Amino acid sequence: QKEVEQDPGPLSVPEGAIVSLNCTYSNSAFQYFMWYRQYSRKGPELLMYTYSSGNKEDGRFTAQVDKSSKYISLFIRDSQPSDSATYLCAMMGHGSSNTGKLIFGQGTTLQVKP
Amino acid sequence: DAGITQSPRYKITETGRQVTLMCHQTWSHSYMFWYRQDLGHGLRLIYYSAAADITDKGEVPDGYVVSRSKTENFPLTLESATRSQTSVYFCASSVDRGQPQHFGDGTRLSIL
Repeated sequence: QKEVEQDPGPLSVPEGAIVSLNCTYSNSAFQYFMWYRQYSRKGPELLMYTYSSGNKEDGRFTAQVDKSSKYISLFIRDSQPSDSATYLCAMMGHGSSNTGKLIFGQGTTLQVKP
Repeated sequence: DAGITQSPRYKITETGRQVTLMCHQTWSHSYMFWYRQDLGHGLRLIYYSAAADITDKGEVPDGYVVSRSKTENFPLTLESATRSQTSVYFCASSVDRGQPQHFGDGTRLSIL
């Protein structure tokens, strides 16, 4: 079993929809959680960065971390065609569990149709 | 605002040849990383470096060599390229452990 599981999709939604992207993980030492967006033929771009549990909001994007369930989510409100990309979750441990290495999910491909 | 740059962006070579992919960052970040991205496997860590002259293996290091004589540069060498190393290679850096990694735009490498 992989340390981080992410449904690869593809996920197709109409413009304006609320999108929910999710990852589950098995390592309880993970404390840092990130979401990256990757457009075709480009490198991953950091979208959201959270430490431990809770919510973080940035414009149309909200990241949620539920450590008790080992489950993280990214919500996109009022989705736009420009949001069409692959979304990768990533995480790492804290303290002695933190080697600086990120563990990535497989990525979910999102298409937002006009 | 140069950030992190990779070169070349595209490379085609033959099996058995040596290939070096370059990575340069302008942020003076301590940590640097090399990944390969393949369909069905996602991003896999090849090597990483915590500082100049300190490197360590990642998940898939076989067939690759790295060096880091200067903080800003982290070249990746395929000593004798094989077809299985055809992939998209990404370099990333972070200021420290626990901080997000920032990625370059990748090198698409094809080995014939």
